[in-house]
Amino acid sequence: DAKTTQPNSMESNEEEPVHLPCNHSTISGTDYIHWYRQLPSQGPEYVIHGLTSNVNNRMASLAIAEDRKSSTLILHRATLRDAAVYYCILRGYGGSQGNLIFGKGTKLSVKP
Amino acid sequence: AAGVIQSPRHLIKEKRETATLKCYPIPRHDTVYWYQQGPGQDPQFLISFYEKMQSDKGSIPDRFSAQQFSDYHSELNMSSLELGDSALYFCASSLGAGQGSNYGYTFGSGTRLTVV
Repeated sequence: DAKTTQPNSMESNEEEPVHLPCNHSTISGTDYIHWYRQLPSQGPEYVIHGLTSNVNNRMASLAIAEDRKSSTLILHRATLRDAAVYYCILRGYGGSQGNLIFGKGTKLSVKP
Repeated sequence: AAGVIQSPRHLIKEKRETATLKCYPIPRHDTVYWYQQGPGQDPQFLISFYEKMQSDKGSIPDRFSAQQFSDYHSELNMSSLELGDSALYFCASSLGAGQGSNYGYTFGSGTRLTVV
């Protein structure tokens, strides 16, 4: 199974940008890179996903390395509400490859 | 916008009892997933259904079973409950991943099961 590696924790100051890295050196050509976050006592929340090109949405940006072996989730201006565990997950096609398998995410703390 | 609805929100059961958790996916989503999250743990995949058929099994105990009905809602049935089954149970729905397409999951708020 393709795996991802993320730092256990990161800290940020409020209203500053945050760059959350993810390594996925064994990614296959058909794996999409998904990011989810989980606030305390809540269900995981979809953030963004991409395949090869960088992606932007209202929540964040996803920068994908040219060789696709790493990616970075970018929160442009962190707020206190962004404090959560962020998961980088690879999702393939069909059957079990289409399931999201959560690993160890990055716990982001945001300081006022 | 409609979200994934889970019921009940909280459930307290005694050991060896049974429990049924329900999940109502977002309309037109054809795939439902169940996850278990113990205290301080990451979500663990239990089982998934695509178009009312089981599509994959994860670390689901034999005491648990699940199904997806004709209206696409799903139920997780848990029997002979043990103290270790105390956890948050999340349901998620999405459109199934296929070649050339990939979609995000939408998770419900979860059911907190406490076994005493």
